[in-house]
Amino acid sequence: GDSVTQMEGPVTLSEEAFLTINCTYTATGYPSLFWYVQYPGEGLQLLLKATKADDKGSNKGFEATYRKETTSFHLEKGSVQVSDSAVYFCALLSGAGSYQLTFGKGTKLSVIP
Amino acid sequence: DGGITQSPKYLFRKEGQNVTLSCEQNLNHDAMYWYRQDPGQGLRLIYYSQIVNDFQKGDIAEGYSVSREKKESFPLTVTSAQKNPTAFYLCASTRGLAGRSETQYFGPGTRLTVL
Repeated sequence: GDSVTQMEGPVTLSEEAFLTINCTYTATGYPSLFWYVQYPGEGLQLLLKATKADDKGSNKGFEATYRKETTSFHLEKGSVQVSDSAVYFCALLSGAGSYQLTFGKGTKLSVIP
Repeated sequence: DGGITQSPKYLFRKEGQNVTLSCEQNLNHDAMYWYRQDPGQGLRLIYYSQIVNDFQKGDIAEGYSVSREKKESFPLTVTSAQKNPTAFYLCASTRGLAGRSETQYFGPGTRLTVL
């Protein structure tokens, strides 16, 4: 079955540091890939997505590139802010007509001033 | 503003009682979903519904029930048969099920605690 593996957290960074959160996946066919963010006490918000190989999703300074050859979708940001502190979830949606997102376990990021 | 509302934000229940969590959306989306989130875990699908009066079990449906009498509403009942109901519950919706880039929109969640 489909699965998503994220790097274990928590991750603690100083403000303006570079962020990478690793995500690899196992899926049949050609999935769409997503990063969602969850701020404390809230629901999930879509951060970015990519629907085919070599696509790059980007939003709010975050980027992730869909790498089919390495089955990865790592999240990066060049300079994190305190306001980026949240839990980040990698997820996939398998194939056309699919309905069920498969989530990773989430990576908690804390950014300190 | 369009979006998904869940109520209440916090809910306390005594063991052995059923409780219903509300989810309403005004996005005119066809599909709706219920997820459960436990600490340090990803989200797990409980039930989903593609259209009114139709719903399907997800990965962890035991001890839960749903209804979809209206397009905009998808309430979840946590029954006394659910052995470990304390969790954060999230409702989501999508425009439809077709398409590879469907974005799921999430509500703010309900935190259920069984006393």
